[in-house]
Amino acid sequence: AQKITQTQPGMFVQEKEAVTLDCTYDTSDPSYGLFWYKQPSSGEMIFLIYQGSYDQQNATEGRYSLNFQKARKSANLVISASQLGDSAMYFCAMSSSSGNTPLVFGKGTRLSVIA
Amino acid sequence: DVKVTQSSRYLVKRTGEKVFLECVQDMDHENMFWYRQDPGLGLRLIYFSYDVKMKEKGDIPEGYSVSREKKERFSLILESASTNQTSMYLCASRLGRQVEHEQYFGPGTRLTVT
Repeated sequence: AQKITQTQPGMFVQEKEAVTLDCTYDTSDPSYGLFWYKQPSSGEMIFLIYQGSYDQQNATEGRYSLNFQKARKSANLVISASQLGDSAMYFCAMSSSSGNTPLVFGKGTRLSVIA
Repeated sequence: DVKVTQSSRYLVKRTGEKVFLECVQDMDHENMFWYRQDPGLGLRLIYFSYDVKMKEKGDIPEGYSVSREKKERFSLILESASTNQTSMYLCASRLGRQVEHEQYFGPGTRLTVT
């Protein structure tokens, strides 16, 4: 069975600093995908970034990058130059190549950016 | 842009009422999902559907049912609402089951059962 673990319930970061949100996963599938979503206080879930298990390069999208370490089964999200608007819940999720299961989500990390 | 809409942002219902939560997506996605979100528990999958008229139970289906008569619409039904079903309900859709297909979420419905 697939599992996503986010060990940090909450984190604080100073504005303009970089922050890393941890995500570890467990799967026996040879091919899978890893996603990060942001959920502001308004409630909508916003897709941020995707990494495929066979991708050689770490994914980047603007200030977001995914630090993918396959051997360690980790997929940490790095946010550079934090902004006040980055304060939100962040969820890590995983897809399966078996195709018969929805995305599996972690319990999330609440990030607070301090001015 | 994919758009997933939910019929209400906020809903207040009484215990024992039958409640319908509607979700519509406009991008011809095959897969649709219903989650509930509670503090500290993350997202929990209630039901999902891979095709019209198909449904699969998720992790917490008890007390809920679903209907997918048309590809674009996925309804969540609380047969007899109870106070422990007070929660945030999120609908999502996904193009298909390829690993790279992300899920697109609706804005959520905050349901209060009194």
